[in-house]
Amino acid sequence: DAKTTQPPSMDCAEGRAANLPCNHSTISGNEYVYWYRQIHSQGPQYIIHGLKNNETNEMASLIITEDRKSSTLILPHATLRDTAVYYCIVRSSSRDDKIIFGKGTRLHILP
Amino acid sequence: GAVVSQHPSWVICKSGTSVKIECRSLDFQATTMFWYRQFPKQSLMLMATSNEGSKATYEQGVEKDKFLINHASLTLSTLTVTSAHPEDSSFYICSASLPSGGGFNTGELFFGEGSRLTVL
Repeated sequence: DAKTTQPPSMDCAEGRAANLPCNHSTISGNEYVYWYRQIHSQGPQYIIHGLKNNETNEMASLIITEDRKSSTLILPHATLRDTAVYYCIVRSSSRDDKIIFGKGTRLHILP
Repeated sequence: GAVVSQHPSWVICKSGTSVKIECRSLDFQATTMFWYRQFPKQSLMLMATSNEGSKATYEQGVEKDKFLINHASLTLSTLTVTSAHPEDSSFYICSASLPSGGGFNTGELFFGEGSRLTVL
């Protein structure tokens, strides 16, 4: 079973920040939080990941709570091309550790 | 950047035939690859873990004789859907991790573009 829970869907106005929450209350000390997104009929795309500290890259920011039981992915200025299903995943850093996908959050960007 | 490529991107076949899907890591070696399937409006479901030089590890409920996985080299894993039937029609996706160190992100997993199988 997936170790994360996410809201099934969210709406966000174009140009505004999209904040996608994720709960992972059973996360282990060696597990990272990864975010991927899947645009229709494509393979998932890596967005960002983190262990304890907040992270930022050219795509998004990741805010992880101090107890690591939840996190928020922030898309600072959402565009229509950000419409996708966003998956929050917890996984160790081992390259052999498999990823179990939850149902994700379907993000709709409204023009 | 690292890329995982699948071929074919889509395939249509007759019921009873077998279909092979290839997954390649283009600029890195992948000792482990993962195969997923996805039905419309559903999440990805892990089918099996493909291990280079050894047998694949299948998830519960996935028929190993139906979905043959071969990982003969460090850059290629194949999934063969044997005696395909319409219920096998799905989107099949593979993935592989970069090795740790050497400037690569820790444990980052890359996914192929997916292969859409339609069985008539």
